[in-house]
Formats: sequence, structure tokens, C-alpha cells
Amino acid sequence: DTEVTQTPKHLVMGMTNKKSLKCEQHMGHRAMYWYKQKAKKPPELMFVYSYEKLSINESVPSRFSPECPNSSLLNLHLHALQPEDSALYLCASSQAWQGIYEQYFGPGTRLTVT
Amino acid sequence: KNEVEQSPQNLTAQEGEFITINCSYSVGISALHWLQQHPGGGIVSLFMLSSGKKKHGRLIATINIQEKHSSLHITASHPRDSAVYICAVRSGRNQFYFGTGTSLTVIP
Repeated sequence: DTEVTQTPKHLVMGMTNKKSLKCEQHMGHRAMYWYKQKAKKPPELMFVYSYEKLSINESVPSRFSPECPNSSLLNLHLHALQPEDSALYLCASSQAWQGIYEQYFGPGTRLTVT
Repeated sequence: KNEVEQSPQNLTAQEGEFITINCSYSVGISALHWLQQHPGGGIVSLFMLSSGKKKHGRLIATINIQEKHSSLHITASHPRDSAVYICAVRSGRNQFYFGTGTSLTVIP
């Protein structure tokens, strides 16, 4: 199984809502990533988890809160978002954070903030 | 200036043509990735390189570490190759840098 799954596929939320994005992999990977991608732009790295610990936070606003409850799951909790946060949110995983390993991407969650 | 530059930004080819997409980078890297993204969002990792050349089907990726340059070649291009191709590098400091992508359209 070389798949990274993400739910939901699409999400529309108001600026006062609280929602969560979910990512799951069963490849035994110990590194998981959240990326944000705006239209016609490359992905931007947001967070990296290594062995369920937050290793990288690329100065992401606190209205985005990541969580890694176990080695297979990665969540992104959203609260008080702004319309400019509308984007495709991609999850990825790799065998490890340190070292040269291929990243496997999920299909993404397309988020619209109204 | 971006740490990763790709060229061309847009490319239109006739089916069957040989295609080359270039990537230049300015940082020391531990690995370079070529990614493919189809409309709708899904990203597929095509290659991960730290030296030399790799081939997978009709796709070939090369990297020249001294010149800080990589190329992605597609032989016998097909309309299903139409996608955005993104070059990404991981620096020696474990930072990721992405190119702005090359949008490829292959016309039947």
C-alpha cells in the first residue's frame, strides 16, 4: 500500500468555524508533511512531523494547528481562518525526515474560506 | 531570486515530440525531486536524484551536481503527459525549495 489518503476532498468553511483536515498513511513512514498550495503556485511547506514530533514549523499562523496522534495519522486543525487561506492542502509522507527519501503525496483537500 | 528556477514556464508540444524541462538551483542540496501534478491537484513523485541519471519508462531525469542543474526528458510525448512538472530540492540544511513549475500541454 503506497497510498496517502486525505479527507475531506473539499471543504467550505466560514471564518468563525472550526474544522479539521485528516491525512493517513500505512506505509510505516515516520515523517509526515503538510503543504499549502495556492492556484498556479508550487506547494509551500507548512509543517514536518518526524516520529510524531513537530520538527519544522515554517512560521505558520496559529490559526493552523497540526497534530500527529500516531505514526499513521496527521491532522490539521483549522480555526478562525481568513479568505486568503483558501488553497489546496496537501499531505505527504516519507520513510524518514533525515536522509534522502521519496515523498508520497495525498490527493489534497481543497479548502474554501467564505 | 528563487533558489530553484525552472524553464520553460509553459510548453506546448505535438504528440510524439521529445520534451526537455530544465531546473537550476542555487543552494547545496542533498536531493532533487521531480514531481508531476495533474489538474485537480494530485502530486506524483516521478524521480528523486542525488547524482547521475534515472530512467522510468519514457521519462529520464539527469542531474549535474557541479553545475547545479537537472533536466527532465519525456520521450515520445503523449497527451496524458499534459500536467505541471515541478522541480524541488532539499538543501543540506533540510529545507525544501520548490520551482514554480512547468505547465506542459501535449496536443494529439
